[in-house]
Amino acid sequence: EIVLTQSPVTLSLSPGERATLSCWASQSISYYLAWYQQKPGQAPRLLVYDASNRATGIPARFSGSGSGTDFTLTISSLEPEDFAVYYCQQRSKWPLTFGGGTKVEI
Amino acid sequence: DVQLVESGGDLVQPGGSLRLSCAASGFIFSSYEMNWVRQAPGRGLEWLSHISTSGSAVNYADSVRDRFTISRDNAKKSAYLQMNSLRAEDTAMYYCATTKDGPFGMWGQGTMVTVSS
Repeated sequence: EIVLTQSPVTLSLSPGERATLSCWASQSISYYLAWYQQKPGQAPRLLVYDASNRATGIPARFSGSGSGTDFTLTISSLEPEDFAVYYCQQRSKWPLTFGGGTKVEI
Repeated sequence: DVQLVESGGDLVQPGGSLRLSCAASGFIFSSYEMNWVRQAPGRGLEWLSHISTSGSAVNYADSVRDRFTISRDNAKKSAYLQMNSLRAEDTAMYYCATTKDGPFGMWGQGTMVTVSS
């Protein structure tokens, strides 16, 4: 199966700062990567799909990039509501897999 | 409202069975693929199973293959996860998610399954 490795595990930042989250795939997944945000007690929410397409209603401060094995989610200027856990997920091959997550904390 | 609502979670003994349901409303359920994802307490997300729009194609994670069965009833706008031979490590919040509004673009609120004697 394709293993997704997220880095860092924890990212400590302040509101207004830029956040850069990384996700590496153990083999090429083309652009079939999505990013999700999860807050405590809530279901995950789709942010970006196919590496760089923002989902409906997602603010422009969230952007995704990458292809092949290296991917990045960037939050240009952190808002208080952005402090959460972020997961990447590949849909290139079965079984679908998620990364272990990056917690963005204050 | 456009939503997915899971139900069926419960406390069950090891070796037992449970059937989870995911009811859709507010959109054309039959047009979208369905998935089940779980999250053990304090852990990350684990994809479990997928079913195509017609139900003719299914896929499973190795951890649940041969124990869990996914199905759907488009007339009832519902998807299901039959879980057999449950183990302690199956304890988790179980979510259904559909491909509406993007891959895994819509999620339910989850239903909790606890496997314990």
